[in-house]
Amino acid sequence: QKEVEQNSGPLSVPEGAIASLNCTYSDRGSQSFFWYRQYSGKSPELIMSIYSNGDKEDGRFTAQLNKASQYVSLLIRDSQPSDSATYLCAVKDMDTGRRALTFGSGTRLQVQP
Amino acid sequence: DAGITQSPRYKITETGRQVTLMCHQTWSHSYMFWYRQDLGHGLRLIYYSAAADITDKGEVPDGYVVSRSKTENFPLTLESATRSQTSVYFCASGGDTQYFGPGTRLTVL
Repeated sequence: QKEVEQNSGPLSVPEGAIASLNCTYSDRGSQSFFWYRQYSGKSPELIMSIYSNGDKEDGRFTAQLNKASQYVSLLIRDSQPSDSATYLCAVKDMDTGRRALTFGSGTRLQVQP
Repeated sequence: DAGITQSPRYKITETGRQVTLMCHQTWSHSYMFWYRQDLGHGLRLIYYSAAADITDKGEVPDGYVVSRSKTENFPLTLESATRSQTSVYFCASGGDTQYFGPGTRLTVL
């Protein structure tokens, strides 16, 4: 069974700090990785996608992928109270043509003003 | 409006009743998905559809039925609702990346 693991948190960081969110996955053949942000009572919102080893930056967000270690991370620079949410790591299912996502249970981030 | 919508947003029903959750997308995405989200389990795939008239089971399909006669619609039916189906249901569409609807919060009494 494919698994995606995340620390549930909460991860508490002060405003302006760097928040580091981590995720490991079990399927070594996975090729596509995603970070979603979910505010309480809302639906998941796509933040980043990453497909190749290394870093991918988009504004204050940086996704990092290490396929050898089966590890994905999300860095949020200059964290703001509005970043307080649950961050979901997702890995695309490569079996057949399903294209479904397997999600981790999410890490709750709290940014303290 | 472009995007993905779900209805109803909230639903309370009783055990044994049939319930249908609606999902509509305006992007003409081939792929559509139904997930449920529960505390302790995260998001789990119920059913997916690769195109109109092509559907298949996901991780937790028991007790659910889907159909897809049109590309833009993907309804999910609970044939005989049970308390264990109390959850938040999200519809999503997209191929390489997936975009989620606002969700339906279903309570089965």
